[in-house]
Amino acid sequence: GDSVTQMEGPVTLSEEAFLTINCTYTATGYPSLFWYVQYPGEGLQLLLKATKADDKGSNKGFEATYRKETTSFHLEKGSVQVSDSAVYFCALRTWYSGAGSYQLTFGKGTKLSVIP
Amino acid sequence: EPEVTQTPSHQVTQMGQEVILRCVPISNHLYFYWYRQILGQKVEFLVSFYNNEISEKSEIFDDQFSVERPDGSNFTLKIRSTKLEDSAMYFCASRAPVWEKLFFGSGTQLSVL
Repeated sequence: GDSVTQMEGPVTLSEEAFLTINCTYTATGYPSLFWYVQYPGEGLQLLLKATKADDKGSNKGFEATYRKETTSFHLEKGSVQVSDSAVYFCALRTWYSGAGSYQLTFGKGTKLSVIP
Repeated sequence: EPEVTQTPSHQVTQMGQEVILRCVPISNHLYFYWYRQILGQKVEFLVSFYNNEISEKSEIFDDQFSVERPDGSNFTLKIRSTKLEDSAMYFCASRAPVWEKLFFGSGTQLSVL
């Protein structure tokens, strides 16, 4: 079945450091890939997505490139801020289900703490 | 931005009791979902709901679980006889037609004692 593996946390960085959170996947078909973020006390929010190979999703300074050859979708940010402290989830959706289906497969989540 | 609202934020119950978790999806959304996350594990899909019926469910969603949209605004998840292993954070989500973006609520932490 489909699966997502992301790096274990927690990750602690100083402000302005470079961030990489690794994510690899296993899926049949051609999945769409997502990064969700959960700030303390809030629900999961879509951060960025990519729907086909070589697409780059970007938002709020975060980027991730859909790499089909390495089945990866690593999240990067050049300079993190304290406000980026949150839990980050990598997820995929495959398209072999019907239009109403939206079964996301998630990774375990990576907790990021950014210190001043 | 519009929000999905879940109540309560925390629920404590005794094993064998029934619980109902409540969600108010975004008003013009038509697709509704429940996910859960057991502590330290992955967020897992439970069920999707569209046009007043279940459109997809996972193996987790057995006969002890049910969903309902009783009044056109609320979307509920009922667990008939809770087990210790049902302790988890339960997330409700909704989606508009065509859009690929899921909007999640902040979750209900269920603790079964």
